[in-house]
Amino acid sequence: QKEVEQNSGPLSVPEGAIASLNCTYSDQGSQSFFWYRQYSGKSPELIMFIYSNGDKEDGRFTAQLNKASQYVSLLIRDSQPSDSATYLCAVGLSGGSYIPTFGRGTSLIVHP
Amino acid sequence: GAVVSQHPSRVICKSGTSVKIECRSLDFQATTMFWYRQFPKQSLMLMATSNEGSKATYEQGVEKDKFLINHASLTLSTLTVTSAHPEDSSFYICSARTGGDNEQFFGPGTRLTVL
Repeated sequence: QKEVEQNSGPLSVPEGAIASLNCTYSDQGSQSFFWYRQYSGKSPELIMFIYSNGDKEDGRFTAQLNKASQYVSLLIRDSQPSDSATYLCAVGLSGGSYIPTFGRGTSLIVHP
Repeated sequence: GAVVSQHPSRVICKSGTSVKIECRSLDFQATTMFWYRQFPKQSLMLMATSNEGSKATYEQGVEKDKFLINHASLTLSTLTVTSAHPEDSSFYICSARTGGDNEQFFGPGTRLTVL
């Protein structure tokens, strides 16, 4: 059974700090990795995706993938109160009609 | 680009009635659409996966006769909650994907309240 694990939190960080969100997965065949942000009462929105080992940066967000250790993380630099949300990690196999598996999400609180 | 819409955004109905929710990909063709349900403060729960022109694949524990899914075209999928009951009250979210490795794009969700 494919599993995606996230610490439910909440993770509380001060404004301006770096927030680090982690996700581990069980399926070694996983090839695609996604981070979504979900505000309370809203649907998830895609932040980043990563396919290759290493880091991928987009503005204040950096996704880090380590396939050997089977974890993917999301770093948020210069955290803002508006970043307060639940962050969902999704993992999927490559190609075909795979169904991505979502983690339960980590709640992030950025306090002023 | 990659916009997914849902209609209605909110619906309140009486117990026993049926409710149809539409999910549309506005600027791309969605070979696959997913339907999720989310109860307050809980994680996304995948209900079913639908591919255009074929029957939906339901997750274990989801009644296919109660949650009817039709994926009639590459831009439209519908979820019909038949004979809705208060326990069906939830946030229903669809997502669409073009295929392969591509990421999913979520609709804004439909909040269903069954009285």
